[in-house]
Amino acid sequence: DTGVSQDPRHKITKRGQNVTFRCDPISEHNRLYWYRQTLGQGPEFLTYFQNEAQLEKSRLLSDRFSAERPKGSFSTLEIQRTEQGDSAMYLCASRQTGLETQYFGPGTRLLVL
Amino acid sequence: GESVGLHLPTLSVQEGDNSIINCAYSNSASDYFIWYKQESGKGPQFIIDIRSNMDKRQGQRVTVLLNKTVKHLSLQIAATQPGDSAVYFCAETLPQGAQKLVFGQGTRLTINP
Repeated sequence: DTGVSQDPRHKITKRGQNVTFRCDPISEHNRLYWYRQTLGQGPEFLTYFQNEAQLEKSRLLSDRFSAERPKGSFSTLEIQRTEQGDSAMYLCASRQTGLETQYFGPGTRLLVL
Repeated sequence: GESVGLHLPTLSVQEGDNSIINCAYSNSASDYFIWYKQESGKGPQFIIDIRSNMDKRQGQRVTVLLNKTVKHLSLQIAATQPGDSAVYFCAETLPQGAQKLVFGQGTRLTINP
């Protein structure tokens, strides 16, 4: 257990529905990352927060995706109007300023039917 | 886009033997490299890291070697145990911006009894 928690661990939804995932980083870590991982591939970067500011977004993050970190602690990732291609593991990672190591949570596995 | 790749998708070794997992990276400006272990259904787990100003770093049963001349990274695991069976990813980061991780596809390591 790295200290990064994610909820839910699994989510099954129907195409067109909205889903929201939560990430709680390690408490003293002010940098938070979201990644997406499909079967057999390495994680791909989605977005990055420093405290409450979203400072970078990948081209992978379409308009249907939105992420927030309102108080600089936990973060949420919402996917609107889900598509089957959104099925993946969504991973959250955090790190402390001044240190490079990112620690990952257990992930949320999304299946869109 | 630039990415980190791996030479072998699968590796099978006998319990107790040493294993070597290789990785080629493409961005010569990357200054930090990290190896993660990922077990089925779990998030990536930090194993060991190395900065670009080093060529070798040792941990408990693991050693990472960095060859900047040929942009090659390797992970050596000594005296492999059944619990070492997993997918191993290398990742790189650039010193600027979000310092997001760029992952390769991974190598599946299987330990035979």
